[in-house]
Amino acid sequence: GAGVSQSPSNKVTEKGKDVELRCDPISGHTALYWYRQSLGQGLEFLIYFQGNSAPDKSGLPSDRFSAERTGGSVSTLTIQRTQQEDSAVYLCASSLIRSNQPQHFGDGTRLSIL
Amino acid sequence: GESVGLHLPTLSVQEGDNSIINCAYSNSASDYFIWYKQESGKGPQFIIDIRSNMDKRQGQRVTVLLNKTVKHLSLQIAATQPGDSAVYFCAEMVNYGQNFVFGPGTRLSVLP
Repeated sequence: GAGVSQSPSNKVTEKGKDVELRCDPISGHTALYWYRQSLGQGLEFLIYFQGNSAPDKSGLPSDRFSAERTGGSVSTLTIQRTQQEDSAVYLCASSLIRSNQPQHFGDGTRLSIL
Repeated sequence: GESVGLHLPTLSVQEGDNSIINCAYSNSASDYFIWYKQESGKGPQFIIDIRSNMDKRQGQRVTVLLNKTVKHLSLQIAATQPGDSAVYFCAEMVNYGQNFVFGPGTRLSVLP
C-alpha cells in the first residue's frame, strides 16, 4: 500500500526484554516521526528524523529508548529492558518535508509489557 | 479494536446535527495547524489544515476556524454522521522551530 506501515501491529513481552518496532514511511517522505500514545492521553513526541540531519531525540523518555533510520527510509524504535510503564501504542508518521506539511500516520504498534 | 482516550472529553451530537470541536493552542508563534481524526485501533488521519495567514478554511463537510487573538482553533463538521464518531486532535507547529504539539483530543459520539 501507499501509506505508512508499522510492524508488528501488536507486541506482548515480559518486563526486562528488549523490543524492536518497525516503521516503513511513505516512499519519498524525508521526515519521519515516532510518537507514543498511552490510554487516555494525547500523542507524546519521541524522536524525529529529517533526511541526513542528526535526529531530534529530545522526546525520548530515557536512555532505554533509541531509534535508527537506515538509508533514509525504514526506521526502527528500540526499547531496552522494557518496563510496564512502556505499555502504549507507538505511532510512526512521515511527511514530505518538516514544515507546513501534514504528517501521515501508520496504525501503530500496541505494546503490552507483562 | 482498542479504545483510545477513554478519559477524554466527550461531545455527543445527534446524527444530522452540526458538531463543533474546540482546541486551545499554546504557542502564539505557531503558524500551522492540523486537525486529525483517530478511530479506534487506527492511527490519526489528516482531516484539514490551516496556516496562520488565514482565519477560515473549508473542506468537504468540515470547516476549520482560527482565532489567533485568543489562540483558539475549532473544527466544524456539518451534518454529522455515525462515521464521524472518533477522537479528534488538533496539532500546532512553529515553522522550522519545533515538532508538532498535539492537543489532548476530544471524543465525538454521534447518536442515532
